[in-house]
Amino acid sequence: ETGVTQTPRHLVMGMTNKKSLKCEQHLGHNAMYWYKQSAKKPLELMFVYNFKEQTENNSVPSRFSPECPNSSHLFLHLHTLQPEDSALYLCASSQDLWTDSNQPQHFGDGTRLSIL
Amino acid sequence: QKEVEQNSGPLSVPEGAIASLNCTYSDRGSQSFFWYRQYSGKSPELIMSIYSNGDKEDGRFTAQLNKASQYVSLLIRDSQPSDSATYLCAVLDGGSQGNLIFGKGTKLSVKP
Repeated sequence: ETGVTQTPRHLVMGMTNKKSLKCEQHLGHNAMYWYKQSAKKPLELMFVYNFKEQTENNSVPSRFSPECPNSSHLFLHLHTLQPEDSALYLCASSQDLWTDSNQPQHFGDGTRLSIL
Repeated sequence: QKEVEQNSGPLSVPEGAIASLNCTYSDRGSQSFFWYRQYSGKSPELIMSIYSNGDKEDGRFTAQLNKASQYVSLLIRDSQPSDSATYLCAVLDGGSQGNLIFGKGTKLSVKP
């Protein structure tokens, strides 16, 4: 139990579908993150939220739309995805944003997304 | 583009040996460095953080940092089969808040 819960664990969708990934953290953290992990590629940061406000958008295509209604919940809305978007999507949280302080990020188990 | 480089492996060591994992990074402004362990099908788990040049020890793990050489390493003493996993090196982007740059990871296999 990592304190960060992601649903669903697996998702298969067509390119024209709309779906959403959900992340919930039970750690009282203020910062939340979306990462993409593709085979044979490094973990890529997608979005960063701090106190519900987006602080980083790492040049992510608009077919990925994040939403952070409160500090405990983070969503990733998906629309018109491409086959190359198939990957493991990981959510993480930390007490505060990383600066020079020891603020470990706690990861959820991820959603394995497959685009047909 | 800021990068973190790791040898993808697999690195195979016998049980009880020392496993040495290496990482280089491109951003001279980085001040914070982390090692994550990721078991197959699981999420990354933070095992070590290091901020100053030199060695930092925690149990069987020792992280080593050399900022002049832009090099960080992880030593695992008395390696166990349960240490078999992919080890991810991560560097905090010195120019942004919250942006961790990850390497591709080194797969470690500890043989009984």
